[in-house]
Amino acid sequence: DTEVTQTPKHLVMGMTNKKSLKCEQHMGHRAMYWYKQKAKKPPELMFVYSYEKLSINESVPSRFSPECPNSSLLNLHLHALQPEDSALYLCASNPATGGSGEKLFFGSGTQLSVL
Amino acid sequence: AQTVTQSQPEMSVQEAETVTLSCTYDTSENNYYLFWYKQPPSRQMILVIRQEAYKQQNATENRFSVNFQKAAKSFSLKISDSQLGDTAMYFCAFMKQYTNAGKSTFGDGTTLTVKP
Repeated sequence: DTEVTQTPKHLVMGMTNKKSLKCEQHMGHRAMYWYKQKAKKPPELMFVYSYEKLSINESVPSRFSPECPNSSLLNLHLHALQPEDSALYLCASNPATGGSGEKLFFGSGTQLSVL
Repeated sequence: AQTVTQSQPEMSVQEAETVTLSCTYDTSENNYYLFWYKQPPSRQMILVIRQEAYKQQNATENRFSVNFQKAAKSFSLKISDSQLGDTAMYFCAFMKQYTNAGKSTFGDGTTLTVKP
């Protein structure tokens, strides 16, 4: 299995809703990432988990709350989002074995619309 | 800080022809990695090709090859025998050695359309 699986593929939510995005990989990768991507723009790093611990938070608003329950699963909990948070949310992983130049494995993303 | 510049927002090519996407970068680092990622309409970003800065030999992957000019800080992608499935947005990315891959710096992307 060489895939990063993200669910749901599409999500529409109101500004008062609470929802969660899910990301799963079974490649034994120990680093997992959340990115936000606006249309026709490069992905922007939000969070990095390394060995199930949050290692990087790129000053993301607290309405985004990441969680890494185990080495295969990454969640992004959403609450009280704003319309400007509408974007494609990408999950990625890589082995994080200490070697350098490791490529990122991306999921297909969740297209989020906040009304 | 590193910067990555892709000067061609959009390009098109006829099927079976060759196209070159440009990428330049700015860094004071000597050891780093460069990548080309492809993001088709299906949205999943996939690595196309990877180059280690310490290697003089240009990387190749089937129909994809790079022209890496370290002194000029240039890293262009050549796609030979273009296929309709090559239609995608292409991102050039830079990563310092011994840093987290997630901290890669991406260019703004080039949208490539392959026409039948």
